[in-house]
Amino acid sequence: ETGVTQTPRHLVMGMTNKKSLKCEQHLGHNAMYWYKQSAKKPLELMFVYNFKEQTENNSVPSRFSPECPNSSHLFLHLHTLQPEDSALYLCASSPRRRGVEETQYFGPGTRLLVL
Amino acid sequence: RKEVEQDPGPFNVPEGATVAFNCTYSNSASQSFFWYRQDCRKEPKLLMSVYSSGNEDGRFTAQLNRASQYISLLIRDSKLSDSATYLCVVNLGASGGYQKVTFGTGTKLQVIP
Repeated sequence: ETGVTQTPRHLVMGMTNKKSLKCEQHLGHNAMYWYKQSAKKPLELMFVYNFKEQTENNSVPSRFSPECPNSSHLFLHLHTLQPEDSALYLCASSPRRRGVEETQYFGPGTRLLVL
Repeated sequence: RKEVEQDPGPFNVPEGATVAFNCTYSNSASQSFFWYRQDCRKEPKLLMSVYSSGNEDGRFTAQLNRASQYISLLIRDSKLSDSATYLCVVNLGASGGYQKVTFGTGTKLQVIP
């Protein structure tokens, strides 16, 4: 499935590095989301964008900086991360149109390890 | 009370068995409901929507009881490939232009040969 793509799929970084995660959706959706999923924990919503405007920021530390240049692309810029930030970072998108499948569709995720 | 509650399991069942998962939600204004499947170290994938009238997709049957704020998923004739974590998902609707979705913590299913 190529509806929502994420790169890179795996990332190892040191605490002083700066890196960016990229997400692209090819579904014509208006909203995009970043989630964090730590081992054996539920999904944690981080950010929500609607037509490239940020609509939610769930008290995420400033070392995570999102960017949404348009409704198809979403980035998560990372800097000075901590080892506890190691997790699976998932991007999702959702449609605005009414219908029974009004829900979120996920990319494959980026598995991040901070050393 | 959590917005969406699920029994975390794990449910260990033999191949061919029937297994049922339950989920309760707290917000009576919730508008639509879904089950997702998440394989180990992979992303959640939409399994099926849940309607008040109940809906079936092959071996899978989903049911919604709005009065009791309760959702269920029944899997018949379990296959080894059904082993995964099943997430109950509740949608408050597209307020503000995006889908206000809440995910349950998931129920882990392990189908044993």
